[in-house]
Amino acid sequence: SQTIHQWPATLVQPVGSPLSLECTVEGTSNPNLYWYRQAAGRGLQLLFYSVGIGQISSEVPQNLSASRPQDRQFILSSKKLLLSDSGFYLCAWDFLRGNTEAFFGQGTRLTVV
Amino acid sequence: GQQVMQIPQYQHVQEGEDFTTYCNSSTTLSNIQWYKQRPGGHPVFLIQLVKSGEVKKQKRLTFQFGEAKKNSSLHITATQTTDVGTYFCAGSKSNDYKLSFGAGTTVTVRA
Repeated sequence: SQTIHQWPATLVQPVGSPLSLECTVEGTSNPNLYWYRQAAGRGLQLLFYSVGIGQISSEVPQNLSASRPQDRQFILSSKKLLLSDSGFYLCAWDFLRGNTEAFFGQGTRLTVV
Repeated sequence: GQQVMQIPQYQHVQEGEDFTTYCNSSTTLSNIQWYKQRPGGHPVFLIQLVKSGEVKKQKRLTFQFGEAKKNSSLHITATQTTDVGTYFCAGSKSNDYKLSFGAGTTVTVRA
């Protein structure tokens, strides 16, 4: 069966510090991978998506970047965090070229102080 | 770009009453999906609709996909406290890999 792992679950970081959130998927290959951000009480904002290794599409200009060094690994990074980067970050995957459900990780609650 | 809009943003419901949340897209969708996110949790898939005019039921939940495949609705009957959470719709186009999520409807229930 497929599983998705996302860590850490919670993170408190000072302004200006770097960020690295990791997401890995097991039990499938060639997944679409996504990073979403959910501000408190808000909907899901798509940040990045990837259809393959090294292929990253950015949805909104921002202080973050994403990388996909391996087929089932998706990393969200920042060189210098801003207060506005606080939020709930969710990694998700679905099947390539399929109209199938998306599976979400447990999420990382990031607080920038 | 594709936009999926969802209303209302908040729904306060008396236990036992019915309510509906609506989802509208600016473009024709190949499918619409619905997710539920419990407070503090992550979104969990509920259902997918693919056909024009499709209606699906899950116990007290009824999902509809519009004839033009641009809108959808979720109707919950006899609301219970277990229905608390945020309900998201998400759609994708046939030539696009990504899901676009609505802003969600956050449901609270008065016992």
